[in-house]
Amino acid sequence: EPEVTQTPSHQVTQMGQEVILRCVPISNHLYFYWYRQILGQKVEFLVSFYNNEISEKSEIFDDQFSVERPDGSNFTLKIRSTKLEDSAMYFCASNGQPNSPLHFGNGTRLTVT
Amino acid sequence: EDQVTQSPEALRLQEGESSSLNCSYTVSGLRGLFWYRQDPGKGPEFLFTLYSAGEEKEKERLKATLTKKESFLHITAPKPEDSATYLCAVQAGTNAGKSTFGDGTTLTVKP
Repeated sequence: EPEVTQTPSHQVTQMGQEVILRCVPISNHLYFYWYRQILGQKVEFLVSFYNNEISEKSEIFDDQFSVERPDGSNFTLKIRSTKLEDSAMYFCASNGQPNSPLHFGNGTRLTVT
Repeated sequence: EDQVTQSPEALRLQEGESSSLNCSYTVSGLRGLFWYRQDPGKGPEFLFTLYSAGEEKEKERLKATLTKKESFLHITAPKPEDSATYLCAVQAGTNAGKSTFGDGTTLTVKP
């Protein structure tokens, strides 16, 4: 069964550094998302992406965050200058159409020191 | 703003002891309600989608139901391998694709 893959599984970075989290969504999906989950808290929406542009973003997704689909398979989340509070599990998800179930990757655990 | 509240926060059952998890929601224009299972250190895994009040879906020991205000996930004769966190999420209004999640119910099934 096709799956969403994310790399790396764990990323440790120093405060102020830039990080790029990578995702390969399911190949025939058209809608792509990033969610995050701070330890012990709920899964929170960050951004949705369709047709090479952001469809919607949350208040969390400020100017420090950006997304890109650099080629036909990868979907990336960049955090320009990481803060301690960015430490969380970041999940990529995709689906074939809106209002259909999300297919999640297994996440990247980001630790900012 | 869409709100999703799950209860209880944690549930401990003996193997074979049936129970239900609750998901209450407040949204404007429900497009779909989703149940996911999340194992430690993993991403949520899709279980069910419910689109309208009165709808029911069933898979093995799990059955999901939906009313206009809440959804239940019924677990019949659970096994230890059913231990996980169960997440409820809604998609609503014109925010196609954006899902709002509840805090989840962590289920532990003892043999």
